[in-house]
Amino acid sequence: GAGVSQSPSNKVTEKGKDVELRCDPISGHTALYWYRQSLGQGLEFLIYFQGNSAPDKSGLPSDRFSAERTGGSVSTLTIQRTQQEDSAVYLCASRPTGDYSPLHFGNGTRLTVT
Amino acid sequence: RKEVEQDPGPFNVPEGATVAFNCTYSNSASQSFFWYRQDCRKEPKLLMSVYSSGNEDGRFTAQLNRASQYISLLIRDSKLSDSATYLCVVNGGQGNLIFGKGTKLSVKP
Repeated sequence: GAGVSQSPSNKVTEKGKDVELRCDPISGHTALYWYRQSLGQGLEFLIYFQGNSAPDKSGLPSDRFSAERTGGSVSTLTIQRTQQEDSAVYLCASRPTGDYSPLHFGNGTRLTVT
Repeated sequence: RKEVEQDPGPFNVPEGATVAFNCTYSNSASQSFFWYRQDCRKEPKLLMSVYSSGNEDGRFTAQLNRASQYISLLIRDSKLSDSATYLCVVNGGQGNLIFGKGTKLSVKP
């Protein structure tokens, strides 16, 4: 079956521009997560959606970052007024309901801010 | 204490060696635990879940010690293809999943 799909796979943008990153989770997965990974670093949690509950936004690094999940499926991560330190790989993952279910990752979006 | 801590390594071992990694976690209420592997410039992939009684999958064995709040991963008969970064993942409560920074393993011929 189809896995988690992210687009674009690569994005180069100029400092100050806004970008939108898209994630299409596995069908039926109620939980969706966004992480960020800078070169040579670990995964940094950004935001987590579970069903119709209010998202856990505790990992968003600044108010330039926001995310939506429409209809409990596709999610968009938006970064406004991008900065060079936003350059990283943005990873989306989904999983079914239940604490014991593992995450399934997409291939990521590599964002470069010039 | 950080939420999830791992020794970053690198662990450099010869083929055929046995190697073990530990991962400590701070939230005693955590209920689910996983090991992922991540190859260079790739997304993390699930290696195995960690069950309370311990579990084995081929050459890989995972253990959970709730009293000391750590999980472990043992790799027997290391292969060159085992070279990767191994990520410990802990349920941080409210469904959030916290990743350790990873332990790098390099298996040499």
